[in-house]
Amino acid sequence: AQSVTQLGSHVSVSEGALVLLRCNYSSSVPPYLFWYVQYPNQGLQLLLKYTSAATLVKGINGFEAEFKKSETSFHLTKPSAHMSDAAEYFCAVSDQNRDDKIIFGKGTRLHILP
Amino acid sequence: DADVTQTPRNRITKTGKRIMLECSQTKGHDRMYWYRQDPGLGLRLIYYSFDVKDINKGEISDGYSVSRQAQAKFSLSLESAIPNQTALYFCATSEGKGMWSYEQYFGPGTRLTVT
Repeated sequence: AQSVTQLGSHVSVSEGALVLLRCNYSSSVPPYLFWYVQYPNQGLQLLLKYTSAATLVKGINGFEAEFKKSETSFHLTKPSAHMSDAAEYFCAVSDQNRDDKIIFGKGTRLHILP
Repeated sequence: DADVTQTPRNRITKTGKRIMLECSQTKGHDRMYWYRQDPGLGLRLIYYSFDVKDINKGEISDGYSVSRQAQAKFSLSLESAIPNQTALYFCATSEGKGMWSYEQYFGPGTRLTVT
């Protein structure tokens, strides 16, 4: 079955530093890919999505992600971290050939150091 | 007003009690989902429904049941609650086409504690 792996359950970066959250997926065909953010005591909110158009996808709050088929990766980046970016981030995949649901990774909690 | 609402937002109940969590949406989506979230485990799918007459089990459906009363309403029931069902529960909706499900829109969650 399709799966999503997020490397690192916790990531800490200094304010102003680069944010890199890693996501790898397994799929036999290019899937739809998503990044969601969850702020404390809130539901999940879509950050960005890849749906087989441009491989570099820009999302809200300055985040972007690049789809790399050869690496089966969809890593999330932001050039300069802000304190308000502290949250949990989930990568998810939807793959029509294997399943008809969206599968979520286990999440990465991002900590921003002052 | 929020597009996806869940009631109650918080609930404490005792072991063995029946409890229902409700979800309503105004997005007009056909597809609705129930997830539970536990620390370190991410989101796990309990049940999902692609239209009013379609109900499907997710990866952790044991101990749960659902009802799709209308396109906009999808309820989750715990027939006899047990402590390991203590979790944060989310309802979500999406559009889709055939086998593809598009991005999901989540409610604010229900924090359930079973004592």
